Amino acid sequence: GENVEQHPSTLSVQEGDSAVIKCTYSDSASNYFPWYKQELGKGPQLIIDIRSNVGEKKDQRIAVTLNKTAKHFSLHITETQPEDSAVYFCAASKKYGAGSYQLTFGKGTKLSVIP
Amino acid sequence: GAVVSQHPSWVICKSGTSVKIECRSLDFQATTMFWYRQFPKQSLMLMATSNEGSKATYEQGVEKDKFLINHASLTLSTLTVTSAHPEDSSFYICSLEEGTEAFFGQGTRLTVV
Repeated sequence: GENVEQHPSTLSVQEGDSAVIKCTYSDSASNYFPWYKQELGKGPQLIIDIRSNVGEKKDQRIAVTLNKTAKHFSLHITETQPEDSAVYFCAASKKYGAGSYQLTFGKGTKLSVIP
Repeated sequence: GAVVSQHPSWVICKSGTSVKIECRSLDFQATTMFWYRQFPKQSLMLMATSNEGSKATYEQGVEKDKFLINHASLTLSTLTVTSAHPEDSSFYICSLEEGTEAFFGQGTRLTVV
């Protein structure tokens, strides 16, 4: 099955600096890579995603890059703010069965933005 | 995107009792929903895939008789933790997929005392 590795497990940055979280995956059939932000006591919330036919995607301060050859993808947050502090999960997904997609999550990165 | 409502958000129960958690899709008809379990400071682990009108598919190591899943309609899936024990204390989260995007409920914190 799919295996997703995520690094680092914790990350502290000064407000205004950039944060980078990296993930690798094992199954070359995976073709959808979402990133989730989870605040304490809440469910994960999708913040950005990328599909295998795209190398980079950007949404304001958040960007994701994908290298299919190397099987790794990264989340970049620029101009970090205290409200960016949360746990971030990467995931890899591929189609299975009659049309559903199964997500495999990384272990998460706890991001702390220091004011 | 799809809106997923999970209830209750937290529950405390005594050992040996059963607890039902509901996952509702408010604006999308979901033939498939997913149930995850998350221990503190850990990632989400898929427990089972809930299929509307048929039996759920459980991941290896998940006891189907302990974690009963019912997906009776396109908008509701329920997870019942039967004969709960303290080791069942965890954060349970449901999700559904709209296209290739997954949308999660707010989670249920279960504490078994």
